[in-house]
Amino acid sequence: AQSVTQLGSHVSVSEGALVLLRCNYSSSVPPYLFWYVQYPNQGLQLLLKYTSAATLVKGINGFEAEFKKSETSFHLTKPSAHMSDAAEYFCAVSELRSGGSYIPTFGRGTSLIVHP
Amino acid sequence: DGGITQSPKYLFRKEGQNVTLSCEQNLNHDAMYWYRQDPGQGLRLIYYSQIVNDFQKGDIAEGYSVSREKKESFPLTVTSAQKNPTAFYLCASSPNRGSDTQYFGPGTRLTVL
Repeated sequence: AQSVTQLGSHVSVSEGALVLLRCNYSSSVPPYLFWYVQYPNQGLQLLLKYTSAATLVKGINGFEAEFKKSETSFHLTKPSAHMSDAAEYFCAVSELRSGGSYIPTFGRGTSLIVHP
Repeated sequence: DGGITQSPKYLFRKEGQNVTLSCEQNLNHDAMYWYRQDPGQGLRLIYYSQIVNDFQKGDIAEGYSVSREKKESFPLTVTSAQKNPTAFYLCASSPNRGSDTQYFGPGTRLTVL
């Protein structure tokens, strides 16, 4: 089974600073990789996904992530943090399960705190 | 507007009572999923359904049951056998079993007193 590791349960940055959220996965085959964002007491919203088309993936709200196969990583970045970016971020990797369904395995999440 | 509706937003029940969480989607998606979210543990899959009248157990199905009688509806029952039912429950859907992307509802926070 796949596993996803998000390094750091909390990341704190100043407004305007670089955001870097780390994600490593275990997979023996090229995976589908995702980043989701969750605001308090809400569902998850897809930020971006990697499906082998390009290693640098651009998402919504100025976020992007780079797939590095050699490092089995898919870190999320944003050049300049905004107060509205404060949320929980989840990395996920999809694997094909019996019956033909792609089921994601989620990391434990990283809470992004943005200071004024 | 197309989307996924979960109701109610907050739900309180006494220990030992069964409770059913609602999930409805008007996206015409074939596949639907239920996840449980606990602080610091990410999302864990409870049940999923690829098509009407069919569903499969996920990673933590014990103490839960589901039905899929209609394409747009996938209710989850938390039974009295679930030892620690207090959690945030998220429903999701995807266009079909081969789709790699899921779309999430707003969630229901269940508190068992």
